[in-house]
Amino acid sequence: GAVVSQHPSRVICKSGTSVKIECRSLDFQATTMFWYRQFPKQSLMLMATSNEGSKATYEQGVEKDKFLINHASLTLSTLTVTSAHPEDSSFYICSARAIAGGYEQYFGPGTRLTVT
Amino acid sequence: DQQVKQNSPSLSVQEGRISILNCDYTNSMFDYFLWYKKYPAEGPTFLISISSIKDKNEDGRFTVFLNKSAKHLSLHIVPSQPGDSAVYFCAASAGTYKYIFGTGTRLKVLA
Repeated sequence: GAVVSQHPSRVICKSGTSVKIECRSLDFQATTMFWYRQFPKQSLMLMATSNEGSKATYEQGVEKDKFLINHASLTLSTLTVTSAHPEDSSFYICSARAIAGGYEQYFGPGTRLTVT
Repeated sequence: DQQVKQNSPSLSVQEGRISILNCDYTNSMFDYFLWYKKYPAEGPTFLISISSIKDKNEDGRFTVFLNKSAKHLSLHIVPSQPGDSAVYFCAASAGTYKYIFGTGTRLKVLA
């Protein structure tokens, strides 16, 4: 149980284009989903918190117009990287917290974004 | 400002011996701590957690110890197995569902 999927697992795009990453909770309903970013050999940095049906809360320093987050249902959240640049290349990971759960977050497998 | 620190970037342990991974934090408001295991190019997997009202929590081969006065927690793995080789992250939260992660410790268990 508590499986979270991400799609795609790997994407390469050209500079200036937009990329959408999907995060799904497969066997539970997630009241809250989180988006993280991880640079090589560094920690996971929280980018934003999204609750179903409401606007995402972005962490300080994260541009909300660049990283668009939509949490349309209790099982799906999407992150769109708009007008991507090479510095946006990173490993993006989502996590989800179950409605009836405690503090545990269940993580997706991550998406490797490379902007050329 | 790194509120959660894992000062050892790597650790090597012989199979069958104990692995001890350490984590220090600075924010006294943290009241819930978790350990996650991560393989390359995969998302973290939850291992074990502890609330600040406890000083120890055990689950099979994994035990987490919390020393609130020292703002320190540790993860003990006994006995260590080659499959335990991964990067281990500690995380902390302060009464919310938002985690602050440490920088990770790469554990290598030698057969």
